Amino acid sequence: GAVVSQHPSWVICKSGTSVKIECRSLDFQATTMFWYRQFPKQSLMLMATSNEGSKATYEQGVEKDKFLINHASLTLSTLTVTSAHPEDSSFYICSARDSGGSRYEQYFGPGTRLTVT
Amino acid sequence: GQNIDQPTEMTATEGAIVQINCTYQTSGFNGLFWYQQHAGEAPTFLSYNVLDGLEEKGRFSSFLSRSKGYSYLLLKELQMKDSASYLCAVTPPSGGSYIPTFGRGTSLIVHP
Repeated sequence: GAVVSQHPSWVICKSGTSVKIECRSLDFQATTMFWYRQFPKQSLMLMATSNEGSKATYEQGVEKDKFLINHASLTLSTLTVTSAHPEDSSFYICSARDSGGSRYEQYFGPGTRLTVT
Repeated sequence: GQNIDQPTEMTATEGAIVQINCTYQTSGFNGLFWYQQHAGEAPTFLSYNVLDGLEEKGRFSSFLSRSKGYSYLLLKELQMKDSASYLCAVTPPSGGSYIPTFGRGTSLIVHP
């Protein structure tokens, strides 16, 4: 149980284009999902908290107009990287919290590796 | 703010025991996570300590001292598959969002 999927697992795009990454909780409902970014040999940095049916909460320094988050259902959150630049190349990981489970535990997706050329 | 410190890299021999330390200075603290992350994969949950003391789960144990701002992850009977990055993460005080702040991770290399 408690499986989170991400799609795509990797993507290469050209500078200036937009990329959408999907995060799905497969066997539970997730009122709250999180989006992280991880650069090589670096820590996971929280970008934003995605709340079903409401606006996402962005961490300081994360541009909300560049990283669009939509959490339209209890099992799906999407992150759209708009006007991507090479510095946006990173490993993007989502996690989801089971609405009916522990308040502290979160289940991570397998990650999406984005390369912007 | 939060400051989490753990060694960058450790090496150990298959079958041995290794202890990965984590120290933290935070403006508030509720609990501490340990996650395992293989290269190119998402982190997987290992433990969550709220109270002082040692919690054992099979080959893995996690210790917490709240007064010292210190935790360690103990791995016994090391296997090659234990080669991974081990992330320490702390959560803010109870009543909050339980959103963890992660350390940089300790890359553990297990060799034959």
